[in-house]
Amino acid sequence: EAGVAQSPRYKIIEKRQSVAFWCNPISGHATLYWYQQILGQGPKLLIQFQNNGVVDDSQLPKDRFSAERLKGVDSTLKIQPAKLEDSAVYLCASSLTQYGSPLHFGNGTRLTVT
Amino acid sequence: KQEVTQIPAALSVPEGENLVLNCSFTDSAIYNLQWFRQDPGKGLTSLLLIQSSQREQTSGRLNASLDKSSGRSTLYIAASQPGDSATYLCAVRVDSSYKLIFGSGTRLLVRP
Repeated sequence: EAGVAQSPRYKIIEKRQSVAFWCNPISGHATLYWYQQILGQGPKLLIQFQNNGVVDDSQLPKDRFSAERLKGVDSTLKIQPAKLEDSAVYLCASSLTQYGSPLHFGNGTRLTVT
Repeated sequence: KQEVTQIPAALSVPEGENLVLNCSFTDSAIYNLQWFRQDPGKGLTSLLLIQSSQREQTSGRLNASLDKSSGRSTLYIAASQPGDSATYLCAVRVDSSYKLIFGSGTRLLVRP
């Protein structure tokens, strides 16, 4: 089975610029997650989708971050405008069900904001 | 508020040693607990998932145990190999919100 696909792998931008990340989950997985992982820390959940509906976005900085999953499959995460502290790896994950099945992660997008 | 702690932050062992990685959590009301492996520059790979009603799960040389009442889980790696070198993270799914909360990981180096 194909894994979770993410692009781009790396992105370098200047502060105040905008950036977008794309994720294609494993086929048939209804739940999709975006995590932010700062170096040396565990991943922190930004937003969780169940099909195309938002389940949890309590830790998403909504003044600058947005995410969508329009057709319940692919998802995009956008940052506008970026800040220096947004430098991190952005991980997308998917799971078959919302609670009881394991998460499968993509390789992530490493963002550097200068 | 659920907090997940992993100690030690880093561990270096000679090849062939059996080792235990620790994970502790502050709220015992969890739905399940999952152990992941992360290689440098890569995403996380799921190793084992333990439901709250289970006590342990095994996969090959890996064995994970769960003690909800004491808020602890351990990942046992038998006969460690250099290829086991990676960061190991545990994550608990909180019962009330079903949110998955990660620890900061243990960085393991297995020396040939």
